[in-house]
Amino acid sequence: NAGVTQTPKFRILKIGQSMTLQCTQDMNHNYMYWYRQDPGMGLKLIYYSVGAGITDKGEVPNGYNVSRSTTEDFPLRLELAAPSQTSVYFCASSYGLYTGELFFGEGSRLTVL
Amino acid sequence: DAKTTQPPSMDCAEGRAANLPCNHSTISGNEYVYWYRQIHSQGPQYIIHGLKNNETNEMASLIITEDRKSSTLILPHATLRDTAVYYCIVIQSQAGTALIFGKGTTLSVSS
Repeated sequence: NAGVTQTPKFRILKIGQSMTLQCTQDMNHNYMYWYRQDPGMGLKLIYYSVGAGITDKGEVPNGYNVSRSTTEDFPLRLELAAPSQTSVYFCASSYGLYTGELFFGEGSRLTVL
Repeated sequence: DAKTTQPPSMDCAEGRAANLPCNHSTISGNEYVYWYRQIHSQGPQYIIHGLKNNETNEMASLIITEDRKSSTLILPHATLRDTAVYYCIVIQSQAGTALIFGKGTTLSVSS
């Protein structure tokens, strides 16, 4: 049982490039989330999903896109990378009806130069 | 969801109890109190949650005041590995709601 797995762990992008952060969970959780964390700050919710085919915006969705075609996967796409998107990105999931107990991945550290 | 207020930082000696306060004076009757912690560079880790009653698990105890306007997370015997940022979050346990993290309390445990 791997839990929540994020790839890549580290990535450097040039301004204007695009990329996808991958997130997969093997706990059959319905709910999945993407957060970003800037240095010295708390986590900000980007997008979340309450099940396959259903996504919704969080606090800071601009510049990102998500999809949820399967229960296991919740990729986060950056279309035109900007320096302001330099951050650590965390994916999380929770089980069944929402309980508030989230399981987090180890994070993906992204630098945009 | 109700807003929470936590001190930005606290210190604790190793082996002593760490008592982390959280104020949530606008909490409503169907909102839960959740605690998470984040050890440097890692993803946040769930600690404990409660509604009205005090709760205890292998990691910590949660004391909620009778009026539910504040709570305290207690780490009974803090170790150096408990040095982390601790987040108090109030949330309605209903479908489609996502956790919003504030800045939390940075707990520093020293020997």
